[in-house]
Formats: sequence, structure tokens, C-alpha cells
Amino acid sequence: EAGVAQSPRYKIIEKRQSVAFWCNPISGHATLYWYQQILGQGPKLLIQFQNNGVVDDSQLPKDRFSAERLKGVDSTLKIQPAKLEDSAVYLCASGKGAAGELFFGEGSRLTVL
Amino acid sequence: GENVEQHPSTLSVQEGDSAVIKCTYSDSASNYFPWYKQELGKRPQLIIDIRSNVGEKKDQRIAVTLNKTAKHFSLHITETQPEDSAVYFCAARDSSASKIIFGSGTRLSIRP
Repeated sequence: EAGVAQSPRYKIIEKRQSVAFWCNPISGHATLYWYQQILGQGPKLLIQFQNNGVVDDSQLPKDRFSAERLKGVDSTLKIQPAKLEDSAVYLCASGKGAAGELFFGEGSRLTVL
Repeated sequence: GENVEQHPSTLSVQEGDSAVIKCTYSDSASNYFPWYKQELGKRPQLIIDIRSNVGEKKDQRIAVTLNKTAKHFSLHITETQPEDSAVYFCAARDSSASKIIFGSGTRLSIRP
């Protein structure tokens, strides 16, 4: 079974530029999460999808972050414009439903200069 | 919303000794408590989990205990080995929104 795929693995941008991350969850997984992990901290939930609907986006900074999950499969997370404090690893995770294990991708490491 | 606190932030134990990491949660509706291990530069991976209808669960050298009344749960690793060195995260899932909230992590180092 293929795991959660994420790209790009690394991205370096200047502040005020934009960036997009892509995630392909495990086939059949209805739930998809985006987490932000700043160095030395635990993953912080940004947004949770159930199929193509948003379940929770209360921690997503909506003035600069956006996310979508078209057709209930792949998802993209966009940051525009980026700030220095957005430097982090962005982890995508998927799960079969509300009660199961989360499977994480390798993450996308963002450095904002 | 749910808040998960984890301690200690760093832990160093002698190889062969036991390690204990503790977490507390705030939402009494939470019903699922996973523990993830994250090695340097790698993805978090589930090592053990427990549901609210169970007080203890064991898998070889690792065990998790849950005290629903006190709203805390702990990870126990016995006979620690060098490969146990990593960052460990506890987490809690609430029953309503099904979102999983993570603790801040514990960096475990095993001394030879």
C-alpha cells in the first residue's frame, strides 16, 4: 500500500512570496489533515477535511493560508504572502475515518528568508 | 477546545532502564489517545494507542496507561535500547470533531 505522498520536500522562498504544497493521501482515506510543525514543537493542526468538506479550520490563518481538497482526494495548502514565522515542516496526514490511526507523509520543509 | 500538555520535554535514561512520559488532556469527551515516535528528519509514526474504554495496553516493551478521571495518560518504555532515542508525541482525539491534538513532545535520549 502506497503511503501519503507530499511535494515538494523542500522549499526556500523570500518573505511575501507565495508557496503551495501538495498532498496525495492513502487511497480510500476519507479524512485528510494538514499540520504545521515548527522546529522543536509538536504538530499543530491547521485544517481537517472529511472527503472534500472542511471539518475544522479554526487554527488556519485565513488571511494568508488557504487549503482545498478537490474531489475528496488530493489536497493543496497555499501560503500567500509568506512570513518569516511560517518557516516549518508542513505535514499531511490521512485516515480512514473518525476513529482510526493517522498516517503521515514525509512533510514539506519550508524556509522563509 | 482540546489542550494536551506533555512532560518532560527532554528525558535521558541509561540503556536498559525504563522511561516514562506523561500527558494530560482537557476535554473529557476525548476518547482516543495515540502516541507517535518521530526520528530526526522523519515522519511521525504511531507506536501505540489506547481508547477510553481501556485502562492499559501493552505491546512488547511499550505500554500506555489511561486515567480518565484525572484526564492523564502515560507512555512506559521498558528495557530501553539505543533505537528508542527519538521525539515522542502524545495526542488526544475528541469525540465530536475527530481532530487529533498533539502535545509538545519529549526528546528521549538513551545513554550507552
